[in-house]
This record gives sequence, structure tokens and C-alpha cells, in this order.
Amino acid sequence: SQQGEEDPQALSIQEGENATMNCSYKTSINNLQWYRQNSGRGLVHLILIRSNEREKHSGRLRVTLDTSKKSSSLLITASRAADTASYFCATDVSGSSNTGKLIFGQGTTLQVKP
Amino acid sequence: KAGVTQTPRYLIKTRGQQVTLSCSPISGHRSVSWYQQTPGQGLQFLFEYFSETQRNKGNFPGRFSGRQFSNSRSEMNVSTLELGDSALYLCASIPGLAGVGETQYFGPGTRLLVL
Repeated sequence: SQQGEEDPQALSIQEGENATMNCSYKTSINNLQWYRQNSGRGLVHLILIRSNEREKHSGRLRVTLDTSKKSSSLLITASRAADTASYFCATDVSGSSNTGKLIFGQGTTLQVKP
Repeated sequence: KAGVTQTPRYLIKTRGQQVTLSCSPISGHRSVSWYQQTPGQGLQFLFEYFSETQRNKGNFPGRFSGRQFSNSRSEMNVSTLELGDSALYLCASIPGLAGVGETQYFGPGTRLLVL
């Protein structure tokens, strides 16, 4: 079963605009990760945020985490056509420190038009 | 450093056959996890290995099995293939003992089509 739900399911924007996608999860977590997937290929790790962190930046990416609402958001600023991909959030399960099992959301499909 | 290698990249099988997929993690990484991705169910955890031991298993039937070798390479096997096993199978490489805060690095996947 899916831990996370992502919103929106699909997003289409113009190059240069910002893209925001949201992820909600059900159980307590130790950390949350965001991944990108291009056209059914492998997953590329973007960023990891721990449960005691509220915000994290990496280049044009900004991730926030609100553990009280069990939600996270990924912001891509100044989007480029190359950002066109599916984006997934993935969580572990709090209390399960001896496993690397990740639970993925259904993903947001982002299209950036040139 | 070379990334995660998965072989083969594409595979076509018929119902009832069995298949073996291979994953070579990043050099020095000791844990491997496997995931199945389908349009209907999304990304689902299959199993996880560390030091040749299965540490965790997802909710899949016994037809799905795996193992890890002493060099950390891992294989997964699916016996008596069903049409619903058609999917992208992804392998993740984890630096150490998978747990809190470990980034998982994914391979390109093996796309399996069952006819």
C-alpha cells in the first residue's frame, strides 16, 4: 500500500516558472526523500530531509517538511525543459531503523514547456 | 565511481517461465533493495539484503525470491511468471547497513514484459 499521496498528479508549466508539488504521508517517519524519474527509467535521488529538519535547499530545489501535518513539498525554481519528469516522494517508517524499506507516493508528472 | 548496474535492461518472457534479474551495487555499498514499478500499483518494495542476508521482504508471493552474494551483487528470481509481473524492476544500492537517513541510489531498471 502507498504511504504517500502526491498532489497534483500532473503539472504543466512554462519554462522559467516555478513548480510546486506536494506529498502527504500517513505514519511517523525518520526521513523523507524526493526522487526524479525520466520516462520510466531509474530513479535519481534529489534530496533527503530528516524528520527534525523543516527546510532544505539544493540548487534550484527547495524541500519543506511539516511533520505535524505529515506533509512535504518540493519547489523547483526557474524550471527548465530538462526538468520534465515524474517526481516521487519516499518515506521510511519511524521505528524501523534496521531496514531501508522505502514507501513511495504515486508521483507527480511535471511537464515543462519550452 | 560506477553507478548501479542492472542486467538485462529489457526482457520478454511468456507466462509460466521464470526469470532472473541481476543487480551490481555501487562499489563499496553493502545493501541492496529491490522494487517493482507498475502503472497500477506504483513503486512497491520487494526485498532488501545486507551481507548476504535478507533483512526485509515486501508483500509479494513466494514466486518472488532473491539473494545476495559475498561481493554484494544481488539477483532476484520470479518463477511461474504471470501477466501481472510485467513491470520495471528497480534495484537500489545503499552504502552501509540500511537504516535511518541512508540515501538509496537506484539503477536504470530491468523492464520485464510477460506475454
